[in-house]
Amino acid sequence: AQSVTQLDSHVSVSEGTPVLLRCNYSSSYSPSLFWYVQHPNKGLQLLLKYTSAATLVKGINGFEAEFKKSETSFHLTKPSAHMSDAAEYFCVVSDNNQGGKLIFGQGTELSVKP
Amino acid sequence: KAGVTQTPRYLIKTRGQQVTLSCSPISGHRSVSWYQQTPGQGLQFLFEYFSETQRNKGNFPGRFSGRQFSNSRSEMNVSTLELGDSALYLCASSLVLQGSYGYTFGSGTRLTVV
Repeated sequence: AQSVTQLDSHVSVSEGTPVLLRCNYSSSYSPSLFWYVQHPNKGLQLLLKYTSAATLVKGINGFEAEFKKSETSFHLTKPSAHMSDAAEYFCVVSDNNQGGKLIFGQGTELSVKP
Repeated sequence: KAGVTQTPRYLIKTRGQQVTLSCSPISGHRSVSWYQQTPGQGLQFLFEYFSETQRNKGNFPGRFSGRQFSNSRSEMNVSTLELGDSALYLCASSLVLQGSYGYTFGSGTRLTVV
């Protein structure tokens, strides 16, 4: 069965410093992986997706993620945090054996201090 | 282009009642999925519809049901509401069944059962 583990439930950074949100996945075959962001009282917005093309994936708002098969990781990074990045971030794997249902990690809450 | 539209945004219902939530996908998208989000369980897959057929179902009791119309709009119904059904219900649409292009989420319907 496929699963994702987000290694930190909460990350706090200062504005202008780098962001690293960690995610490990478990999959018996080549997965489709996503990062979504959820701002308070809002739905989920797709940040980026990996679907077996380039291992370094660039997304919106300056975020990127690197797929590392040997480490089964898909960490999300951003060089410089902005106050508007404060939100909850979800690492997601698509279970292509079951019609593509999404399996969500438990989420990482990102706080950005001025 | 309009996003995924969910109605209503908020609902308060009494235990034992039933409720119907609506989701209009992005124009041209034929796959609609439903997810339940709670603080304790996180985001969990309910079911996915494609071309008016349920293609996949999560581990929820039979009180949770759904359908999809010929215009791809979808409804989900919860009968005999329980306090534990209080949650944010999110709908997601995708161009294709397995969602390898990514899913677009609506803002959700927040259901409170009292």
